Amino acid sequence: QVRLVESGGGVVQPGRSLRLSCTASGFTFSIYGMHWVRQAPGKGLEWVAIIWYDGSHQDYADSVKGRFSISRDNSKNTLYLQMHSLRAEDTAVYYCAKESRGYSGYDPDNIGSWGQGTLVTVSS
Amino acid sequence: DIQMTQSPSSLSASVGDRVTITCRASQGISNYLAWFQQKPGKAPKSLIYAASSLQSGVPSKFSGSGSGTDFTLTISSLQPEDFATYYCQQYSIYPRTFGQGTKVEIK
Repeated sequence: QVRLVESGGGVVQPGRSLRLSCTASGFTFSIYGMHWVRQAPGKGLEWVAIIWYDGSHQDYADSVKGRFSISRDNSKNTLYLQMHSLRAEDTAVYYCAKESRGYSGYDPDNIGSWGQGTLVTVSS
Repeated sequence: DIQMTQSPSSLSASVGDRVTITCRASQGISNYLAWFQQKPGKAPKSLIYAASSLQSGVPSKFSGSGSGTDFTLTISSLQPEDFATYYCQQYSIYPRTFGQGTKVEIK
């Protein structure tokens, strides 16, 4: 059974950094592309970033490009989101999500499973 | 970026009603379209991928259709557990954009 558990959220001051983690279990982590998706309080879903199964490619939403970095450690079954220069508008629940097929790479794949989310609050 | 527009933004329906939600992409995305359900305080749940394929374990009362720029999600007979917010997402190109959501409420 797929299990994705996010951690690392909390309250952080504007301009500071924070790293989120997502620990995966119940599947072969190293063959699936992974995403971060966020949801500001009372708002809709916003896609944040993707990393391919082998870590060879990453892509980002314009709103976080240059400030956030997605990475993974396949030996630890863990996905990361390093966030720098945080702003009030980055306040949100951050979800990690797993693609449906393995080895998707250039072949577009959909999100099949979600974690429970971790709340990041950017406030002074 | 591809803009995804859902309509309506909200709707009221009764148990047993047939409900249809539409999603329009600002440019063609073939069938790279997914639908998600989210209940208050919970993580989203994946319902449909490739515009019309049900995720494993999703009941057949949910169906999707469309290709190119226009897509629909239909719930054939609304049940109490279906009252939620539904989102579409294109996964044709980056950035992977979501619709703004459609909230399905009890009439």
